[in-house]
Amino acid sequence: QKEVEQNSGPLSVPEGAIASLNCTYSDRGSQSFFWYRQYSGKSPELIMFIYSNGDKEDGRFTAQLNKASQYVSLLIRDSQPSDSATYLCVEGGTDKLIFGTGTRLQVFP
Amino acid sequence: EAGVVQSPRYKIIEKKQPVAFWCNPISGHNTLYWYRQNLGQGPELLIRYENEEAVDDSQLPKDRFSAERLKGVDSTLKIQPAELGDSAVYLCASSRREDRGRTVKNIQYFGAGTRLSVL
Repeated sequence: QKEVEQNSGPLSVPEGAIASLNCTYSDRGSQSFFWYRQYSGKSPELIMFIYSNGDKEDGRFTAQLNKASQYVSLLIRDSQPSDSATYLCVEGGTDKLIFGTGTRLQVFP
Repeated sequence: EAGVVQSPRYKIIEKKQPVAFWCNPISGHNTLYWYRQNLGQGPELLIRYENEEAVDDSQLPKDRFSAERLKGVDSTLKIQPAELGDSAVYLCASSRREDRGRTVKNIQYFGAGTRLSVL
């Protein structure tokens, strides 16, 4: 059974710093990953999608995939208090998404 | 473009009562998902529909849960009877497959969810 593991946090970073969120996955054949952000009491919203080794950048967000190490990360540059949320790492190579438990990020002023 | 619409947003019931949730997916999305999310956990898939056909219901507790997607658009999820452990947020999502060469991109868009409290 496929699994995606994340540290539940909270990860606390000061405003303006780089927040680094990580997850590992169990299926060596997995190729596609999503990062969803979920504010408290709200539904998950997609922020990044990555399917190849290396980095993918979108604004302040950079997703990294390392298939050899079965490791996915999300870097948030210039963190803002509005980035405070739970970030879900998701394996999504097929129609079925496998969610991690999420890492709670707190950005303090 | 309207997003995934769910109702009700909140529901409080006593145990052993029935409850139903409704979902209207994004127009043109043929795949619909129902998830359950417990506090501090990621969403867990209950059932996936391709049009009106349930193609993955392996995680649906069939003794008390049922779902339908008549005409391949709106969907309802029912619990009868509800138990204390069913308290959770029930999320509906929809997607449209995008084939991009060797990669199939399947972005799921979530509704606001229904928060169920069973007393």
